[in-house]
This record gives sequence, structure tokens and C-alpha cells, in this order.
Amino acid sequence: DTGVSQNPRHKITKRGQNVTFRCDPISEHNRLYWYRQTLGQGPEFLTYFQNEAQLEKSRLLSDRFSAERPKGSFSTLEIQRTEQGDSAMYLCASSLEGVVQETQYFGPGTRLLVL
Amino acid sequence: KQEVTQIPAALSVPEGENLVLNCSFTDSAIYNLQWFRQDPGKGLTSLLLIQSSQREQTSGRLNASLDKSSGRSTLYIAASQPGDSATYLCAGFYSGNTPLVFGKGTRLSVIA
Repeated sequence: DTGVSQNPRHKITKRGQNVTFRCDPISEHNRLYWYRQTLGQGPEFLTYFQNEAQLEKSRLLSDRFSAERPKGSFSTLEIQRTEQGDSAMYLCASSLEGVVQETQYFGPGTRLLVL
Repeated sequence: KQEVTQIPAALSVPEGENLVLNCSFTDSAIYNLQWFRQDPGKGLTSLLLIQSSQREQTSGRLNASLDKSSGRSTLYIAASQPGDSATYLCAGFYSGNTPLVFGKGTRLSVIA
């Protein structure tokens, strides 16, 4: 257990439905990252927060995706009008800015299946 | 574009064998290089992190090296055990507010 938690762990939904995932980082960590991992691939970056500010978004993050981090604590990732291509593992990671070894600690992930 | 490549994609070895996993990266301006382990359907567990100023890091039976000039890192696993079976991912962290850039991983099977 790295101290980063994600909920739910699994989600099955029908195409066209909206889904929301939550990530709770390690409490003192001010940086929070979302990644997406499909079968047989390494994780790919989606978006990144420093405190409550969303500083970077990948081109993978289409208009159907939105992420928030109110108050710089937990974060949510919402996917609207889900498509079968959204099926993947969604990983959250947190880190502490300014630490020499800025290790990212990953949560267990949320596995999404879109039918 | 920053890219990370891992070879081989899959590896099967008998228990007790020493093995090396390879990772190469295109951008030598790397801040640190991190090796992760991922069990099926699970999240990532950090194994070793090597800063750009370091040449290697060791943890138990694991030893990771970093050669920025050649754009390569290796993860050496000594006396492999069936419990080492997992996917091993390497990822580069570049300076500034950048995310990790991952390879596709090497899927390791250690046969008892």
C-alpha cells in the first residue's frame, strides 16, 4: 500500500454513460497525476495538478474528459458519454514537489470496462 | 519527442537465474529514471529510482544502472524467484513539470 487510494477499483458501464473516478493522494503531496493504461502498454499521461491548479493536459484528454482537484486534496476524473475505446486502467499518482528524488507513488488503479 | 523503449517485451527464465532487463530513452536530458513492478490487474510499485547524477542503485537482489550518454538503463535481478514474476516498467522523469514517460514494459515469468 503506497498511501494513494482510488475508488472504485472496478467499473463496468454501458456505452454513452458518464463515469467518475476518485483519487486520494498521500496527504502532504501537492502534485497529482492521472495516467491511462491499456492492455500490453505502459501508462500514458492524461493530466497533472499542482495543488488545485491543472497545469498540463495531454492530447489524449478529449473534450469528454474532465478532471478537478478542489482544495488541492483529492481529485476526480469524469468521462462523459463513454466509448468502448475508453476501456482501460486509470491510474493516479502523487508526489511532493521540491524533493530531490521526486518519486511518484501510484494508487491501485480503477479498471473501466465499457460495454 | 521523449520515448522510452523496453526490450525484450517478454522473458521466461528458470528459477535461480540472474537476468537483465533493458530500457532505452531518446532524450538524454533525463532528471531521473524509475523502475516499477506491476502485478496483473494491479497498480505500480516503485522499485528503484536513479537520479541523473548517479550511476546505479541497489535494493536487495535488484540493481539498476543508468548511462545517460548512451541513453540506457538496466535492471539486474539476481537469483530470480517465482515471486519475481510480473511486468517491469521503466519510466523517465524530465526536468520541470513533466509527467513520467513510460516504456511498454517487460513481462517476466520465473519458472519453478
